[in-house]
Amino acid sequence: DAKTTQPTSMDCAEGRAANLPCNHSTISGNEYVYWYRQIHSQGPQYIIHGLKNNETNEMASLIITEDRKSSTLILPHATLRDTAVYYCIVVDYGQNFVFGPGTRLSVLP
Amino acid sequence: ETGVTQSPTHLIKTRGQQVTLRCSSQSGHNTVSWYQQALGQGPQFIFQYYREEENGRGNFPPRFSGLQFPNYSSELNVNALELDDSALYLCASSAGYQETQYFGPGTRLLVL
Repeated sequence: DAKTTQPTSMDCAEGRAANLPCNHSTISGNEYVYWYRQIHSQGPQYIIHGLKNNETNEMASLIITEDRKSSTLILPHATLRDTAVYYCIVVDYGQNFVFGPGTRLSVLP
Repeated sequence: ETGVTQSPTHLIKTRGQQVTLRCSSQSGHNTVSWYQQALGQGPQFIFQYYREEENGRGNFPPRFSGLQFPNYSSELNVNALELDDSALYLCASSAGYQETQYFGPGTRLLVL
């Protein structure tokens, strides 16, 4: 079973920041938080990952709480092309990804 | 740099037949993982190959088998197809079994 809990769906206005939460209260010290997204039946696209510190790349920012029990993926300026299912995955190095149902993000014009 | 590619893109088979799906890993990657994604669900891990050896397997029956070649490309074989095998089959490659996985576009299999 997936070790994460995410809202089933969210809406976001185009141009605004999209903040996608993920709960992983049973995360262990060696487990990373990964985020992927999947746009309508395409292969999942890697977004970002982190262990303890907040991370930022050209696509998004990942904010991990100090106790590591939850995290938030931030898309700073959402566009219509960001409409997708977003998966939060907790995984230890060398382990296999276990995907949950994810969050369906709809970016509205 | 070429990303992960999969072939064919779509496939229709009948129950009881056998199918082979192919995956070419990203340049420099030696690990391939295979996933099955049923409609409306997240991908489910089938197995992983690292340097031509199976390196972990999910909860799938033995009729799901695989192979990795010296150039690190991979095949997924499914025997005795069942209707429930209809799904999107995804492969992902990584630079090692501990590294970030990058997915291909998938092969959509329909079993009639």
